[in-house]
Amino acid sequence: ELKVEQNPLFLSMQEGKNYTIYCNYSTTSDRLYWYRQDPGKSLESLFVLLSNGAVKQEGRLMASLDTKARLSTLHITAAVHDLSATYFCAVDFTGTASKLTFGTGTRLQVTL
Amino acid sequence: GAVVSQHPSRVICKSGTSVKIECRSLDFQATTMFWYRQFPKQSLMLMATSNEGSKATYEQGVEKDKFLINHASLTLSTLTVTSAHPEDSSFYICSARVAQGKNIQYFGAGTRLSVL
Repeated sequence: ELKVEQNPLFLSMQEGKNYTIYCNYSTTSDRLYWYRQDPGKSLESLFVLLSNGAVKQEGRLMASLDTKARLSTLHITAAVHDLSATYFCAVDFTGTASKLTFGTGTRLQVTL
Repeated sequence: GAVVSQHPSRVICKSGTSVKIECRSLDFQATTMFWYRQFPKQSLMLMATSNEGSKATYEQGVEKDKFLINHASLTLSTLTVTSAHPEDSSFYICSARVAQGKNIQYFGAGTRLSVL
């Protein structure tokens, strides 16, 4: 069964702190995506990771992919309130973006 | 990046009526579009894959007669929720995959359906 699990499901953190969200998946894949979703909105693409060892950074967010461990991480550095949202990872088990399996989502709340 | 337009953004309808949602790729051709459903505070669940010029492929448990999908052109797919009931109330999101080159899905803004 194709499964994608994220943890934690909910994260409350103070501004200025660092934290990591984990995305584990069940079967071999080297294509993984991270998205952000604000309440009532659709998905905003954050990162596309297409190979083992891929690391991408944008502002206070950094994503990495370890295909051997079937693990991706989304690291938050010095969080700010604007980062409050739900973050999803999605795995492409087909290799052609013909089907994405989404993780459970992590709701991030950054408090002052 | 590529733009996917979804319309309407919100619809409220009476039980028993049908609702059509449109998904358009504005600046690229999409041979494949996808329809997702998202319940509050839950993840996205793929409902069906829509291929231009052919029948849609539905995921297990999704009623094809209730959720009619038409992909008549390379830039337009529609999802019709037939005889909607309150349990169909949800957030529906479409995405489109670029026909050539990058294998990336681009997402529409979503449609909030409320069935009274």
